[in-house]
Amino acid sequence: EAQVTQNPRYLITVTGKKLTVTCSQNMNHEYMSWYRQDPGLGLRQIYYSMNVEVTDKGDVPEGYKVSRKEKRNFPLILESPSPNQTSLYFCASRIAGAGTDTQYFGPGTRLTVL
Amino acid sequence: KQEVTQIPAALSVPEGENLVLNCSFTDSAIYNLQWFRQDPGKGLTSLLLIQSSQREQTSGRLNASLDKSSGRSTLYIAASQPGDSATYLCAVRPWDNYGQNFVFGPGTRLSVLP
Repeated sequence: EAQVTQNPRYLITVTGKKLTVTCSQNMNHEYMSWYRQDPGLGLRQIYYSMNVEVTDKGDVPEGYKVSRKEKRNFPLILESPSPNQTSLYFCASRIAGAGTDTQYFGPGTRLTVL
Repeated sequence: KQEVTQIPAALSVPEGENLVLNCSFTDSAIYNLQWFRQDPGKGLTSLLLIQSSQREQTSGRLNASLDKSSGRSTLYIAASQPGDSATYLCAVRPWDNYGQNFVFGPGTRLSVLP
């Protein structure tokens, strides 16, 4: 089954404690991205990756890092989480390029930073 | 910078009604527009994708239209059912940055009452 998986699904942590949210897709997609969703603001892109070892900033990259060492994985790293990073996070993937480019989304990770 | 808005923010209708959700975007230079459905605690599911050269797309009881020149799209849901209750998001893929990023609206929360 084609899918994007994220772990963990729920996480409560404290300010400053480094954490990683994993994302994996099994569709051999080149393009992967991370979004955060906040009430009234919709989804905002954090980082995206066009392919292995190619990453770029989205609209709200501050406080986040990513890596793309393998095609299927795209982890989101918060080196020193702060309460304003409390949000619902989504990973997504798609085939890179024009044409039919439906995005597939993971189930989301709800992060609370105390 | 592209901005996407959706009206109304929330909508409650009795079962069986036909309804229209609205999406507006500020810059008509887009590759495509996509409608998603989001269920509580779950990721986004793609409903319809309209390329910039198309005027509408249909899938079952759903019909999405695109008027690029006026910066508007509508999602028409026929004969609504309680199972249609969800948040509906539209997203545009702008021409800038080779169309790699997506800009989402804040969503319309739909409740269909039995």
